[in-house]
Amino acid sequence: GIQVEQSPPDLILQEGANSTLRCNFSDSVNNLQWFHQNPWGQLINLFYIPSGTKQNGRLSATTVATERYSLLYISSSQTTDSGVYFCAVGNSGGYQKVTFGTGTKLQVIP
Amino acid sequence: EPEVTQTPSHQVTQMGQEVILRCVPISNHLYFYWYRQILGQKVEFLVSFYNNEISEKSEIFDDQFSVERPDGSNFTLKIRSTKLEDSAMYFCASSLSLQQWRYEQYFGPGTRLTVT
Repeated sequence: GIQVEQSPPDLILQEGANSTLRCNFSDSVNNLQWFHQNPWGQLINLFYIPSGTKQNGRLSATTVATERYSLLYISSSQTTDSGVYFCAVGNSGGYQKVTFGTGTKLQVIP
Repeated sequence: EPEVTQTPSHQVTQMGQEVILRCVPISNHLYFYWYRQILGQKVEFLVSFYNNEISEKSEIFDDQFSVERPDGSNFTLKIRSTKLEDSAMYFCASSLSLQQWRYEQYFGPGTRLTVT
């Protein structure tokens, strides 16, 4: 099956700093999603981005499908950004599962 | 915005008991999924369901697990005889409407299952 690797595994930021999280995948995909898992365990859908670039407030994401990676940018980080960020990809037809990466655990300190 | 809902949010059960986790997917979606996440680990696929039958399942989804869509709105995961290692967060997801041909999966808030 498809392999998904995320880096870095852990990240500590000062409030206000910027960061880039990376997701590498081993095969072509037709689904790529970024999630933020909050302290209550809920998966918050950040982006559906199988290709191209999207922005939502302080967050943006870019997927370069031909080179099999995606980047999540967090600008002007806030303590509420803390949590685990997961990338999940899918590459089969209609009833496709997604495969999650191991996540990046982000801690933003005041 | 439509969302996937799950009940209960937290379930505590004794080893060997049966549990049923419930989900209401987004109403016009066609595909339904269960995933689980053991504490501190990544989210793992369990099973996908389409047109009233299982379309794919992982090696985790053994004979102790079953899924059902008993009516037009609910989607359930049953664990027949729970083990300690079944303790995890269980996520339901749904995807793909004919009106919007996107593969994006929408996840529910999860049910935290604790087996004692």
